[in-house]
Amino acid sequence: AQKVTQAQTEISVVEKEDVTLDCVYETRDTTYYLFWYKQPPSGELVFLIRRNSFDEQNEISGRYSWNFQKSTSSFNFTITASQVVDSAVYFCALSEGGVLTGGGNKLTFGTGTQLKVEL
Amino acid sequence: NAGVTQTPKFQVLKTGQSMTLQCAQDMNHEYMSWYRQDPGMGLRLIHYSVGAGITDQGEVPNGYNVSRSTTEDFPLRLLSAAPSQTSVYFCASRRGQGGAEAFFGQGTRLTVV
Repeated sequence: AQKVTQAQTEISVVEKEDVTLDCVYETRDTTYYLFWYKQPPSGELVFLIRRNSFDEQNEISGRYSWNFQKSTSSFNFTITASQVVDSAVYFCALSEGGVLTGGGNKLTFGTGTQLKVEL
Repeated sequence: NAGVTQTPKFQVLKTGQSMTLQCAQDMNHEYMSWYRQDPGMGLRLIHYSVGAGITDQGEVPNGYNVSRSTTEDFPLRLLSAAPSQTSVYFCASRRGQGGAEAFFGQGTRLTVV
């Protein structure tokens, strides 16, 4: 069974601080996909990034970066120089790639991390 | 291009009432799902469908029914509403399985009194 753990329930930072959101996953599949979604106060869910299990390269997009480490089953998300607009709930999610097991049909989410960025 | 459309956005039900949450997508996606979001619980999968005529249960299916008669529509039925079903419900669609990203509707906030 696939599982995603986001141990940080809530993080508060002051604007311009760097912050890292942790994500630990469990899967028995060798092919899988990891995602991050953002849910701002308005409530919609916004896709941020997808990473497959065969690509361990870190990714940077502006102030956002993602660190994928298979050895520790983690896919952490760092915001550099945080801004008030980054305040949101962030979800990490996992989808298995197994066609036969059906795991790829399901996108399993963690419980989310509420990030509050204050002035 | 509307993406995923959910109706209604807000609903209050009395215990025991039934209702249907509507979900429609115009992206010709095969995969559609329903999630519920509760404080501290994240998004939990209720039911999902991999194509017209094919549905399956997710993590928390009890008290809900689904059907998928067309590619576009995936309604969620509450058979006899209970206060425990008070939640925010999200419908999502995906182009495929595995690495396909999910597109979400705006959500339906349901309160059962």
